[in-house]
Amino acid sequence: TQLLEQSPQFLSIQEGENLTVYCNSSSVFSSLQWYRQEPGEGPVLLVTVVTGGEVKKLKRLTFQFGDARKDSSLHITAAQPGDTGLYLCAGAEGAGGTSYGKLTFGQGTILTVHP
Amino acid sequence: EAGVAQSPRYKIIEKRQSVAFWCNPISGHATLYWYQQILGQGPKLLIQFQNNGVVDDSQLPKDRFSAERLKGVDSTLKIQPAKLEDSAVYLCASSLGLANYNEQFFGPGTRLTVL
Repeated sequence: TQLLEQSPQFLSIQEGENLTVYCNSSSVFSSLQWYRQEPGEGPVLLVTVVTGGEVKKLKRLTFQFGDARKDSSLHITAAQPGDTGLYLCAGAEGAGGTSYGKLTFGQGTILTVHP
Repeated sequence: EAGVAQSPRYKIIEKRQSVAFWCNPISGHATLYWYQQILGQGPKLLIQFQNNGVVDDSQLPKDRFSAERLKGVDSTLKIQPAKLEDSAVYLCASSLGLANYNEQFFGPGTRLTVL
C-alpha cells in the first residue's frame, strides 16, 4: 500500500499571509490530485497534476508536482478566510495509468485563516 | 446536474447492531467508490465498482462489511455487526470511468457513531 504524508497537519494563519502545504511519498504516482473538504461535505477536486515538474495555477493557488512524481506542494498566496478547510492530496497508483482510478489519500492539512 | 446523493446523513447505533448506507451516483457515471474517513484522517477506499462489478475491495473488512451495486446504478454499504472503531464518515463518490485522471465527485457522506 502506497502512503502519502502531508505536512503540516494543522495551519492557523492570518488573512493575507502565504502558506505552503506539502505532500510526500516514497512511491511514484501516475498523477496526483488536490482536494478541499469543508465540514459536513465531501471533498471537492481542485486540480490534477500529471507530468513530473508540472506547475498549475488556480487564481491564488499554485500546485507543483515533483520531478520524480513522488511529491507535490500547494502554495496559497494572500490567504483569505474563505480558504479555510481541510486540504487533501491524493495519488493515483502505478506509473502507466493502469491503476483503475484508485486513489490513496494523505491524512489532510486543516487550514484556518483568521480575518 | 444533480450531485452524488447519500442517505442517511447521520446514524447513531450501538455496537453489534447493523446499519446500511445508500448512495445514488451522478447519472451516467460507471464507477462508484465507497470510502471510510475517520476523524483526523484522509478517506480510505473500501470498495470500488465498475458498473455492477467489483474492481477493488482489498481494504474492505469482509467479515463485517458488504456492499452491492446490483443494477450498476445506486449502491448500498452494510456493516453487520458494527464495532466502536467503525465510527467514521462514509463517503460515496462516482466518476465517469476508470481512468486515473477522471475526477471523482463525492457525496456529503454519512456520519456513523457507534456507541
